[in-house]
Amino acid sequence: NAGVTQTPKFQVLKTGQSMTLQCAQDMNHEYMSWYRQDPGMGLRLIHYSVGAGITDQGEVPNGYNVSRSTTEDFPLRLLSAAPSQTSVYFCASRKLNSGNTIYFGEGSWLTVV
Amino acid sequence: QKEVEQDPGPLSVPEGAIVSLNCTYSNSAFQYFMWYRQYSRKGPELLMYTYSSGNKEDGRFTAQVDKSSKYISLFIRDSQPSDSATYLCAMRSNSGGSNYKLTFGKGTLLTVNP
Repeated sequence: NAGVTQTPKFQVLKTGQSMTLQCAQDMNHEYMSWYRQDPGMGLRLIHYSVGAGITDQGEVPNGYNVSRSTTEDFPLRLLSAAPSQTSVYFCASRKLNSGNTIYFGEGSWLTVV
Repeated sequence: QKEVEQDPGPLSVPEGAIVSLNCTYSNSAFQYFMWYRQYSRKGPELLMYTYSSGNKEDGRFTAQVDKSSKYISLFIRDSQPSDSATYLCAMRSNSGGSNYKLTFGKGTLLTVNP
């Protein structure tokens, strides 16, 4: 049971660099999302998707891009990393119209210097 | 006013104590209410969820929702050191695009001392 798999687990970036956080789920979930978690701020929604080809912005989308070309994958792109993007990132997925259980990945720790 | 307010703690209790965690919210459209548990350096996992008002019990855990007061609670009976974690409340509405979005509280850090 893989569930929700995130890579990499840890990453250090320099300001201005770009990178992609990968997220894959093997549960055939329509809904996938990215959150960031910062001390004192809780979990904040960055972007979400309700199916292949459909994405929408969450609470804090600036500086991040997403795409959903397949049901399984939902990568998060940082085009030009900034120190303010230092955070822990969680990918999550759930089956729509079938309960409320949302499954989280193990997290990706990102530091931008 | 933030949509969901949760006291971050930290909360420290002795083993066997009854723990009460709570959240308040401002959006009257919220219909689904959840509690997540997050161990250190791990992703959150769903503990319990409740639809609309009422109580729900699962073993040592009881979730309560009072929609008239916009207040939700999680009670842990006979707390154990293994309950030490951050507890996050989360909620969502049941309409339109908001149906998809979970709004989280900031989480309460709980430590149960043996």
